[in-house]
Amino acid sequence: EPEVTQTPSHQVTQMGQEVILRCVPISNHLYFYWYRQILGQKVEFLVSFYNNEISEKSEIFDDQFSVERPDGSNFTLKIRSTKLEDSAMYFCASSEAHWEELFFGEGSRLTVL
Amino acid sequence: DQQVKQNSPSLSVQEGRISILNCDYTNSMFDYFLWYKKYPAEGPTFLISISSIKDKNEDGRFTVFLNKSAKHLSLHIVPSQPGDSAVYFCAASERTSYDKVIFGPGTSLSVIP
Repeated sequence: EPEVTQTPSHQVTQMGQEVILRCVPISNHLYFYWYRQILGQKVEFLVSFYNNEISEKSEIFDDQFSVERPDGSNFTLKIRSTKLEDSAMYFCASSEAHWEELFFGEGSRLTVL
Repeated sequence: DQQVKQNSPSLSVQEGRISILNCDYTNSMFDYFLWYKKYPAEGPTFLISISSIKDKNEDGRFTVFLNKSAKHLSLHIVPSQPGDSAVYFCAASERTSYDKVIFGPGTSLSVIP
């Protein structure tokens, strides 16, 4: 069964460092998303991406965050200068149609020290 | 702002019995509702959805009921199995306006053998 894959599964970084989280969405999907879940809190929407551009983003997705699809298969989330409060599990998701059933990856746990 | 609420953080049910997970929403523009299941250290998995034109959708052991006037939906699992033990997220979207999917905080279900 096709699946969304994410790397790394766990990354530890120092505050102020740049982090790139990678995702390979399901191949025939056209819509891509990043969500995050801070430990003990709810799953929060960050950004959606379609046709090589951001279609929507939340208040969390400030100038420190960026997304791109550099090579037609990977979908990346970059955090330019990490803060302690960026520590969370980051989930990538993809879907065939906009906001239809999302298929999630297993998540990348980011720990900022 | 909590547009999607799941007021029970946890629920315990005996194996074989019915599990009922509840969800309330505040945005009357939501017209598409989804349930996701999440195991520890994994991404959310889509379970079942319902459009606002329906009041019930069934898929095997899972049934979702929608009461638009009460802005309430529920997920019924019958019979409950130990493998159903997971966190269940209710989610909602304004599909017609392509708004983002908003997740509730989740309910942790434990099915006791």
